[in-house]
Order: sequence, then C-alpha cells, then structure tokens
Amino acid sequence: QVQLVQSGAEVKKPGASVKVSCKVSGYTLSELSMHWVRQAPGKGLEWMGGFDPEDGETIYAQRFQGRVTMTEDTFTDTAYMELSSLRSEDTAVYYCTTKWGSDSYQSYFDYWGQGTLVTVSS
Amino acid sequence: QSVLTQPPSVSGAPGQRVTISCTGSSSNIGAGYDIHWYQQLPGTAPKLLIYGNSNRPSGVPDRFSGSKSGTSASLAISGLQAEDEADYYCQSYDSSLSGSYVFGTGTKVTVL
Repeated sequence: QVQLVQSGAEVKKPGASVKVSCKVSGYTLSELSMHWVRQAPGKGLEWMGGFDPEDGETIYAQRFQGRVTMTEDTFTDTAYMELSSLRSEDTAVYYCTTKWGSDSYQSYFDYWGQGTLVTVSS
Repeated sequence: QSVLTQPPSVSGAPGQRVTISCTGSSSNIGAGYDIHWYQQLPGTAPKLLIYGNSNRPSGVPDRFSGSKSGTSASLAISGLQAEDEADYYCQSYDSSLSGSYVFGTGTKVTVL
C-alpha cells in the first residue's frame, strides 16, 4: 500500500516561489511514477506534470512549462514540486499522485497525497 | 477550459439511479484512450472509482459502473446512497497540444 504525505500549507507573495514535498512510504519512489495535480478553490482538477517512465523524463503540462520544476530524492523517497513566479491564480490545493500504467492509453492516478494548500496573496 | 465536458450537477433520491456523462473528442476518448473516474468527497483528496473504462478497484461497491462509447463515456450510480454525495471527475489523455493527461469539468452529485 502506497502512502503519500505532503508538506504543510504555505502562504506566498506574488512573484515568489513555493516548493511542496511529498514523502512516499510503502514503496520506494523509484518504483513509482509521481505526478502533480492542482485544484483551485471551488474549481476542478488540473494535471501539472510528472515523471514518465516510458522515456525516463519529467513531462509538464504546456501551461506550466518554464514555471514548474518537479524533482525526486530517491534517498529519502521524497518528491518535490516547485512553482515559481506565483500569481493569485496559483492559489490552490496541490496534490501529489501516483500514475499507474505503462502507456498513456491506459494510465490513471491510483494513490493521492492529502493535498497542500498554497495561498498567493500580497 | 477542459477538453472533457461533464454536466455541472446531477441529483437523485436515495435508491435511484443517476448517470454522469463525459464528452470528449477524437484527440482523447475517440482516439482510444481509456476513461477513468474519481470521487471527491468534500475537503478530501480524489479517490479512484473506476479505471480502464469499466473496472472497479478493490473496495468500490458494485453500485458504481462505467462505460465508454465513441467520443464519450458515462458513470452510473445505482441504488444512490447519502454517502455518494460528492464531486465526480472523469480523466483521460489528450494527444493534442503536446499531449497531456486531462480531467473532466466535474459533476456534483446531490442526494435529495
């Protein structure tokens, strides 16, 4: 059973960066394909990106390209998502989630962290 | 601006059957990508409900069922119960715009 525990809530000013962590237990991070999804208040789910084991690269949603960086520390089994140049529209709950599936035709997200609220406000 | 469209809300009395549609296009559902469904209870993380169009993970009641046809899919909840009141999202992959995983717009299910 995979367990994902995320870091606590953050409050940031516009223009700043935020780094959210996601600690894995039950499996090692290298056995998983970690992705990140966010949800603005009262809105739907939005995929941000994640590690694609098919080609061994991290892929990002086009709208976050250049502003988001996803990294992994396999020694501590902790994944990180850093979002820069924050604006008010980035206020959201950020979830780490594991992707199951060897290709995009069948992939889905089976385990989820509890979420981290990031508030961007001056 | 999701590429997968769902009705904003559906409702039903306890015991009734409700269905939620998820409409896509030739670059996602119509291209053969599977549809998956998630249930999100208030204030909690999403939970996988249906994977691979019609499969239920262990522990999900058989009241929940999924299907896919052409460029759309649907989730049915039979024998509606109070604890089914939640938001439901479909999810797939879209091959346009460099490819990305996509979620539906979400549907709020209300038990009357």
